[in-house]
Amino acid sequence: AQKITQTQPGMFVQEKEAVTLDCTYDTSDPSYGLFWYKQPSSGEMIFLIYQGSYDQQNATEGRYSLNFQKARKSANLVISASQLGDSAMYFCAMRENYGGSQGNLIFGKGTKLSVKP
Amino acid sequence: KAGVTQTPRYLIKTRGQQVTLSCSPISGHRSVSWYQQTPGQGLQFLFEYFSETQRNKGNFPGRFSGRQFSNSRSEMNVSTLELGDSALYLCASSLSPGDPRGYTFGSGTRLTVV
Repeated sequence: AQKITQTQPGMFVQEKEAVTLDCTYDTSDPSYGLFWYKQPSSGEMIFLIYQGSYDQQNATEGRYSLNFQKARKSANLVISASQLGDSAMYFCAMRENYGGSQGNLIFGKGTKLSVKP
Repeated sequence: KAGVTQTPRYLIKTRGQQVTLSCSPISGHRSVSWYQQTPGQGLQFLFEYFSETQRNKGNFPGRFSGRQFSNSRSEMNVSTLELGDSALYLCASSLSPGDPRGYTFGSGTRLTVV
């Protein structure tokens, strides 16, 4: 079974509007971290935001916020006021055993976001 | 500060050959992780190194190997290349192992096997 599911292969959004990118996850580990990365066409993975499984409040970083619904095992990324430079691939990822000294990232398949002027 | 540097950026190899990719982490970062990205399988973890020791390894055949030097620079090697090894290989560095909050990725090495 997939541990990270991103059901939207591609999304379009109008410039200056908000957009939500979906991510659901599957783990039985009580301690985990959830992450979103942006990958522009240059290939570099850019860290956007993270949420720990024990965090009580949803994470926010500038125009990015993470809508964390633990019971539903979802961690959707919300981008407010979209900009043309937001056009890129977006990946949701999870690290189990968060806080331990080991643990790689497990990535979803990604969502390609296109911002229209 | 300088970012994570991966060399070369692009590489074309023939089936059966071997290849070595290099990753120089951010100064002061001692942990280096490698990921393979393909259209079919997506992003998959290869290995993680810290203080010249492999701390964690993904589910890849023994043809994939790596190492880390005393200056934290890391190399990965793929022997007996197959067409399916064509991928973007991403390296990430962090201060400590296993903390993706601190991951900084390089721009990757795009390997094409013909």
